[in-house]
Amino acid sequence: ILNVEQSPQSLHVQEGDSTNFTCSFPSSNFYALHWYRWETAKSPEALFVMTLNGDEKKKGRISATLNTKEGYSYLYIKGSQPEDSATYLCALLQGAQKLVFGQGTRLTINP
Amino acid sequence: EPEVTQTPSHQVTQMGQEVILRCVPISNHLYFYWYRQILGQKVEFLVSFYNNEISEKSEIFDDQFSVERPDGSNFTLKIRSTKLEDSAMYFCARDTGQGMNTEAFFGQGTRLTVV
Repeated sequence: ILNVEQSPQSLHVQEGDSTNFTCSFPSSNFYALHWYRWETAKSPEALFVMTLNGDEKKKGRISATLNTKEGYSYLYIKGSQPEDSATYLCALLQGAQKLVFGQGTRLTINP
Repeated sequence: EPEVTQTPSHQVTQMGQEVILRCVPISNHLYFYWYRQILGQKVEFLVSFYNNEISEKSEIFDDQFSVERPDGSNFTLKIRSTKLEDSAMYFCARDTGQGMNTEAFFGQGTRLTVV
């Protein structure tokens, strides 16, 4: 069973500061790594889908990297804004479109 | 892409009762899924549904669970005899049909409370 771990579990960041958090996994036995942002009372929303070792994706102030050899992905947020407050979920795609999730990192941006 | 809409947003039911959770409407995509998150735990895969059949299911998805598309568009999850431990947020999802690079589109969830 693939175990996906995210750290830290929660994070408080001052508005304007940059931050990053980690998704780690023990093996490269998956098809893709997904990052989702989940705001309270809303649907989890896809940020990135990465498939190859060394992949780097960017969307505005948010970027992500994937290292399948060492078993981690980083999500970076540059210049945090209050609207970045959310839970960030990492998930690995296995088999017939089955996602295996980490426990999430709850990010709070302090104004 | 159209959103995935789930109903109801919150349901309270007595232990032992049957509940049906719905995804409406669903456009014609390849895979549909149900996931759940028990409070404080990870989001867990329950089942994937492809071409009107179960494609894969987890060990959680036992005989008390079933899925179907009764009218070709709505996608439902039925829990036959609810237990206290079924209390969770249940998410319906679909893919974009673009292969392994596809992202999942989730509904806003149904919070099921079993009392």
